[in-house]
Amino acid sequence: KAGVTQTPRYLIKTRGQQVTLSCSPISGHRSVSWYQQTPGQGLQFLFEYFSETQRNKGNFPGRFSGRQFSNSRSEMNVSTLELGDSALYLCASSWRGAISPLHFGNGTRLTVT
Amino acid sequence: DQQVKQNSPSLSVQEGRISILNCDYTNSMFDYFLWYKKYPAEGPTFLISISSIKDKNEDGRFTVFLNKSAKHLSLHIVPSQPGDSAVYFCARTQGAQKLVFGQGTRLTINP
Repeated sequence: KAGVTQTPRYLIKTRGQQVTLSCSPISGHRSVSWYQQTPGQGLQFLFEYFSETQRNKGNFPGRFSGRQFSNSRSEMNVSTLELGDSALYLCASSWRGAISPLHFGNGTRLTVT
Repeated sequence: DQQVKQNSPSLSVQEGRISILNCDYTNSMFDYFLWYKKYPAEGPTFLISISSIKDKNEDGRFTVFLNKSAKHLSLHIVPSQPGDSAVYFCARTQGAQKLVFGQGTRLTINP
């Protein structure tokens, strides 16, 4: 069974640009969550999508947005990039049952210059 | 605000010995607590979880203990192996599918 796939693995962007990251969940998983990992803040929850609807949102500005498609694939978008957005962006999928562990992808390393 | 704290940024243990990773939490409700392991350039991998109504959960070499009175969570790895060298994160659920993570502890297993 294939794991969570994130593309691209690495990305370099300039301040002010926008970026779109992609995530394909494990087959059958309908919940997709996004996390940001930075050295200073650790792993922080961005948002979760289930059945194409955002179900939960973390404390990030509106520049961070996402969406989920009918096949459960998800994208997240960051507009007007800032230097502080440089981070590892992790996608995770799960069944969204009573308590089902999140299965993470290997992340997209975003560098903003 | 529900938080988890890992106060030790690093831990070094000899191969074959026990590794004990610790985590403290605040504002407990009915929650699940989880441990994840992370290698460089990879995403976190789920290790083991425990419900807040239990005291202990065991899976092979990994055992998680929950001390509710002290609001303390620990992960025991016995025996420690070189492949266990990684960063370990404790986490708690905050609503469905949202995890709050600690800052992580880097475990190094020495031969």
